[in-house]
Amino acid sequence: AQSVTQPDARVTVSEGASLQLRCKYSYFGTPYLFWYVQYPRQGLQLLLKYYPGDPVVQGVNGFEAEFSKSNSSFHLRKASVHWSDWAVYFCAAGTQVVGQLTFGRGTRLQVYA
Amino acid sequence: DAGVTQTPRHEVAEKGQTIILKCEPVSGHNDLFWYRQTKIQGLELLSYFRSKSLMEDGGAFKDRFKAEMLNSSFSTLKIQPTEPKDSAVYLCASSLGWGGASAETLYFGSGTRLTVL
Repeated sequence: AQSVTQPDARVTVSEGASLQLRCKYSYFGTPYLFWYVQYPRQGLQLLLKYYPGDPVVQGVNGFEAEFSKSNSSFHLRKASVHWSDWAVYFCAAGTQVVGQLTFGRGTRLQVYA
Repeated sequence: DAGVTQTPRHEVAEKGQTIILKCEPVSGHNDLFWYRQTKIQGLELLSYFRSKSLMEDGGAFKDRFKAEMLNSSFSTLKIQPTEPKDSAVYLCASSLGWGGASAETLYFGSGTRLTVL
């Protein structure tokens, strides 16, 4: 069955520290992969998306993600976290055949000064 | 360009009532999705329309949840009758759809927070 797993429900970092949010997928073949962010009281917004090509994808606000076929992973990274990054981050996967995305449960990022 | 618009932002209902949530997708988008978001279950797909045709009706949600696309620019989600366990944020999203080698982005509304007493 298709699935997306975000093993960390909550991550806490200090402002200025580096960040990695983990995402593992289970899909037949190589799906398209996405990271979305949800700020308080808002809908989800796209951070970045991957389709077959360069394994490192650049997104908005200094975020990037790296695809690994061998590890079935698509981890999100940021070199220096800002307090405004406090939000919930969702990893998602999909294929054209299915026509819809499978979302992970989300990782809540808390940033402290 | 207008994004996805959802109304109302908040809804409070008594158990057993019928409520209707509304969604206006991004103009020109072909796909429309309704999701339910809770802290316990995360994002759950309720319905999926492609060019106004129902592609996915959410399985376990079929009995009391009914989504419709009255035209390409308006959709409703009816919950009848409501139960306290339906308390959640309901998100509507739209996209151009999957085409060629590109993967299309979902655009989400801000959601409707439903509380059922």
